[in-house]
Amino acid sequence: GQQVMQIPQYQHVQEGEDFTTYCNSSTTLSNIQWYKQRPGGHPVFLIQLVKSGEVKKQKRLTFQFGEAKKNSSLHITATQTTDVGTYFCAAPSAGGTSYGKLTFGQGTILTVHP
Amino acid sequence: DGGITQSPKYLFRKEGQNVTLSCEQNLNHDAMYWYRQDPGQGLRLIYYSQIVNDFQKGDIAEGYSVSREKKESFPLTVTSAQKNPTAFYLCASSDPNTDTQYFGPGTRLTVL
Repeated sequence: GQQVMQIPQYQHVQEGEDFTTYCNSSTTLSNIQWYKQRPGGHPVFLIQLVKSGEVKKQKRLTFQFGEAKKNSSLHITATQTTDVGTYFCAAPSAGGTSYGKLTFGQGTILTVHP
Repeated sequence: DGGITQSPKYLFRKEGQNVTLSCEQNLNHDAMYWYRQDPGQGLRLIYYSQIVNDFQKGDIAEGYSVSREKKESFPLTVTSAQKNPTAFYLCASSDPNTDTQYFGPGTRLTVL
């Protein structure tokens, strides 16, 4: 079935450093979504990318969808302690979007040292 | 995500007991999901339901059961057959227009 690989599993940074997590699929994706889960909390939707090569920004967060629509990245510029948490990518499980079922990457756990 | 509630927040169970986790949503979403999350791990799909009175097994359905008698409700029962039930359980529903999933606050189940 659909697999979404996410790396790295863990990332420790000093406050102010940049952070990037990568998501890769063996199949072409119709779209990819990113979620953030704060420690002790639940995943919260951040953004959805649909178009090939798409780049979207949310303040210090930059999201990119690969040209072949098989990979994506989330980059955080100048991390802050509020960025701590687990970042997940997720892609539709069944070829299209008609069922809503998502396959989640394993997540990247980000720790920010003040 | 404020439209999904899960109860209780913490649950303790003795071995051999069945326990039911509640999930309610007022987002008018047809599709609902149950995930299990272990410490430092990703989300594993237990069951999902795309419409009332219908549900399908996910990747780790053994030892779990669900029902979907109402659109708003999708309770999960963790049965005594689940060998390692201690985990964080998350319920979600999805927006049919975008497939974005909205999660409840989760239930932390501990088997004593």
